[in-house]
Amino acid sequence: GAVVSQHPSRVICKSGTSVKIECRSLDFQATTMFWYRQFPKKSLMLMATSNEGSKATYEQGVEKDKFLINHASLTLSTLTVTSAHPEDSSFYICSASPGTNQETQYFGPGTRLLVL
Amino acid sequence: AQTVTQSQPEMSVQEAETVTLSCTYDTSESDYYLFWYKQPPSRQMILVIRQEAYKQQNATENRFSVNFQKAAKSFSLKISDSQLGDAAMYFCAYPRYNQGGKLIFGQGTELSVKP
Repeated sequence: GAVVSQHPSRVICKSGTSVKIECRSLDFQATTMFWYRQFPKKSLMLMATSNEGSKATYEQGVEKDKFLINHASLTLSTLTVTSAHPEDSSFYICSASPGTNQETQYFGPGTRLLVL
Repeated sequence: AQTVTQSQPEMSVQEAETVTLSCTYDTSESDYYLFWYKQPPSRQMILVIRQEAYKQQNATENRFSVNFQKAAKSFSLKISDSQLGDAAMYFCAYPRYNQGGKLIFGQGTELSVKP
């Protein structure tokens, strides 16, 4: 199947700093990527849809100025958590699909963010 | 509203036995896909099985099979000959095709396998 990578896998940062997470589709092009947030023992919560060459579409309640998304190419999307606070600590997962709307989505391994 | 419901927060099965995880969904569409994903302790989401709604035949992948009841909007996952490595969170998901295919997930079922 298609492979999606994420970097870094874990990051610890100080409160007030910004953190960038990269999501790459390694063997396919993805015009759309998705960013999720997951709390322990909970389901995935979609944060935003990342569109190559255009602005991301954010879900209701997600601060677009807080979580900056840039889809710079057909294989790379980045999520930047700006001015991070301890409540931003979470597990962030990206996904991408090699096809159209209903094709299978493949997930990155996730990034564990801890804000001190 | 398009929703996905998993009514079993936790399930347990004896090794080598069979277990069924339930999922119901709501949609007004006639043609769509449904997915089951597995999330082991590593937290990597892994596709287990996919069902196309227009196909009446239930999808099967080795020990994993689905019971797809379109009229009832039910999509259960059956795991046969359960193995210790099957222990994980299992999520049922439906893509919202008119919104770029973003997945709507159920709440998840945590499956434990007893040796």
